[in-house]
Amino acid sequence: SQQGEEDPQALSIQEGENATMNCSYKTSINNLQWYRQNSGRGLVHLILIRSNEREKHSGRLRVTLDTSKKSSSLLITASRAADTASYFCATDVRSVDYKLSFGAGTTVTVRA
Amino acid sequence: DGGITQSPKYLFRKEGQNVTLSCEQNLNHDAMYWYRQDPGQGLRLIYYSQIVNDFQKGDIAEGYSVSREKKESFPLTVTSAQKNPTAFYLCASSILGDRGQPQHFGDGTRLSIL
Repeated sequence: SQQGEEDPQALSIQEGENATMNCSYKTSINNLQWYRQNSGRGLVHLILIRSNEREKHSGRLRVTLDTSKKSSSLLITASRAADTASYFCATDVRSVDYKLSFGAGTTVTVRA
Repeated sequence: DGGITQSPKYLFRKEGQNVTLSCEQNLNHDAMYWYRQDPGQGLRLIYYSQIVNDFQKGDIAEGYSVSREKKESFPLTVTSAQKNPTAFYLCASSILGDRGQPQHFGDGTRLSIL
């Protein structure tokens, strides 16, 4: 079952602007991960935030996690045309096996 | 270069036919996964395996079968019982142990019905 839901479904921005997308989930998690998917390709891992962390940075990416609201956000600063892709959040739900539950994704288009 | 190789990139299935999608990894990962992706949707887990000769059903296992005879290989068979097989299939692998390990993905196989 899909636990995560991204918002918005699609986002169009100008090059140089920031892009923000949100992810909400339903049950307690060990960690939350963000992935990028370019058209017709596999997913690429971007960043992971653990349940005891509130914010994490990696290059132009900033991820926040609010476990009380069961939500996370991904911010891409100073966007580039190469950032055009779909972005998915994935939750590692607290269970015996390690498996991820993916949301439906946010499609980001960066206009030159 | 270490990674995951999926083949073929495109596959066509006739009515009543079983087809097998290949997934090979040279990352020495213990765990492997198969996902299905439909247009505009997220990934849904079909099967996963954490150790050779053992695998578990995911959320949508009906109409699919897998095997894990070698650590590096995890083929997926789409059987004739799967009535709506048209989708993009993704294979992934990960290290086990620390729960914070990312999954590494192949570039997918696109399956269509003839």
